[in-house]
Amino acid sequence: AQTVTQSQPEMSVQEAETVTLSCTYDTSESDYYLFWYKQPPSRQMILVIRQEAYKQQNATENRFSVNFQKAAKSFSLKISDSQLGDAAMYFCAYRSGDTLAGSYQLTFGKGTKLSVIP
Amino acid sequence: DAGVIQSPRHEVTEMGQEVTLRCKPISGHDYLFWYRQTMMRGLELLIYFNNNVPIDDSGMPEDRFSAKMPNASFSTLKIQPSEPRDSAVYFCASTVNQNTESFFGQGTRLTVV
Repeated sequence: AQTVTQSQPEMSVQEAETVTLSCTYDTSESDYYLFWYKQPPSRQMILVIRQEAYKQQNATENRFSVNFQKAAKSFSLKISDSQLGDAAMYFCAYRSGDTLAGSYQLTFGKGTKLSVIP
Repeated sequence: DAGVIQSPRHEVTEMGQEVTLRCKPISGHDYLFWYRQTMMRGLELLIYFNNNVPIDDSGMPEDRFSAKMPNASFSTLKIQPSEPRDSAVYFCASTVNQNTESFFGQGTRLTVV
């Protein structure tokens, strides 16, 4: 079974600064997808960024980028120019790429609570 | 599209009562998932459906929990009888296929007293 580990329960960052959230995962599969979801106090789960394991290039979405290290099974999220609205819980998630098994569910880490200091 | 719609947003019930949570997935999404979020265990998959058929219910904690999907636009998660340890946020999510993200509803916060 796959596992996802987020070793930082809480992080803080000064507004306009950069912060990196860590995520490691364990899998024996070679084909899979990785995601970062944001959960603000409203409870809504919002996709921040996704990465396909077969792609070597790191995904980027505006101020959000990832550092995907497949051999190390590491998938960190970098938030640049942090804004007050970035304050939330951030969850790293894994999804199998095995189409035959049809494993479309997400396996989540425990989350990192990010605070943004004005 | 309005996104994944869950109801109710909040539910408070007494121990022993039946609770039914509802979900309407995004139209055209063939996969529907029920997750539970607690402080202790984080987000866990309870069950998921493909084309209205339950595929994996290994995450359903016990027989008190049941889920149905009578058609492509509606699913229910029922707890009977409810217990205080069932208190959690329950999320419904849907997706088109493996290559797309999962879209989540706003969750139902269940409190069993």
